[in-house]
This record gives sequence, structure tokens and C-alpha cells, in this order.
Amino acid sequence: GENVEQHPSTLSVQEGDSAVIKCTYSDSASNYFPWYKQELGKRPQLIIDIRSNVGEKKDQRIAVTLNKTAKHFSLHITETQPEDSAVYFCAATGGYQKVTFGIGTKLQVIP
Amino acid sequence: GAVVSQHPSRVICKSGTSVKIECRSLDFQATTMFWYRQFPKKSLMLMATSNEGSKATYEQGVEKDKFLINHASLTLSTLTVTSAHPEDSSFYICSARDWERGGSYEQYFGPGTRLTVT
Repeated sequence: GENVEQHPSTLSVQEGDSAVIKCTYSDSASNYFPWYKQELGKRPQLIIDIRSNVGEKKDQRIAVTLNKTAKHFSLHITETQPEDSAVYFCAATGGYQKVTFGIGTKLQVIP
Repeated sequence: GAVVSQHPSRVICKSGTSVKIECRSLDFQATTMFWYRQFPKKSLMLMATSNEGSKATYEQGVEKDKFLINHASLTLSTLTVTSAHPEDSSFYICSARDWERGGSYEQYFGPGTRLTVT
């Protein structure tokens, strides 16, 4: 089955700096890679996603890159703000729409 | 947008009793729903895939007789934790895919149910 590795597990950045979270996956059949933001006790919220036929996608301060050959994808958050503080999960979707999540990265933005 | 609800949001039960959690897609039809379990400060672990009108597909290590899943309609899936024990205490989250958006892989998550077994 699919295995998704995510790092770092914790990340602290100064407000205004950039944050980068990286993930790798094992199943070459996976073709959809969403990123979720989860605040304590809340549901995961989709913040950006990318399909396997695209190398990069950007939405305002958030961007995701995908290297299908190397089977890794990354989340980039620029000009971080305190409200960006949360746990971020990467995920890979393969056969039967099954979603496998990374372990999560706790991002802390220091004002 | 697509909305998924869960009920109850919190439940406390005594050891040995059963608890039912409902997952509903409010404004779309979902042929497939997913049930996850999340321990504190941990990732979401897929428990099972719930298919409307057929048996659920359970992940390895998940006891199907303990976690009963029923997906009787295109908008409702239920998870019943039978004979609950303290180790079943967790955050249970469902998600659903919008069937009509055939090209969309996006899954919509419910708000989760906090189960505490005493």
C-alpha cells in the first residue's frame, strides 16, 4: 500500500518568513495530492491540492510543487502570519480514492 | 460548497456499551464515505471505506465486528463502536466524495466526533 512520509514534524518560523513542508510517497499510481490544515479539535481543511499531471500550483501565499519522478511534493507558505499556525497534513490519493496521510507538521508562526 | 455533518460531536459512554456515529452529506450525494480515527497529536488513520449499498472495506488491523459500518443511502453512513472500551476513546472523522463531480478527487470532512469511554 501507499506510504507517505512527511517532515519536519515541527516547524517554527518568524512572522513574515517562509515555511516549507516536504512529503514523499511510495505508490507511483497515486495521482492526487491534497494538503490539509487542521486546527486543534477541528476537521481538516483543504488548503491546496495538485494532480499528477501538474508540476506546480499557487494560490496567493500558498504553493505546492510535485516531482512525480522522485515521488515527492512540497508545500510552501510565504509571508507567514500567526493565523497560519496549525498542523498541516500532506496526503496522497491512489486506487479506490484511498487517501493516505502524512504524520503532520505542527507549524508555529512566532509574531 | 459541499458540507458534511457528523453527529454527535461529543459522546461519553461507559465501557461495554455501544455508540453510533452518523455522517451525512448535506448538499451532495456520496457513494463513498471514509471513516478515520485520530489520536491526540497524531495523523488520521483510515479505518474503512464505506460504499453505499454494499459492505464496507476495512483496513488491515481494524476489527469489522467491533466497528460496524452501514451506508444505507447516498447521504448517510454510520459507524457503530460496539462494546466500547477505554482504548476506543479517540476522535473519529468521516469524509465523503462528491459523486457528481466525477473528476474531483476532493474529499469533504465532517467536523469529527470525540468519543470518550469511561
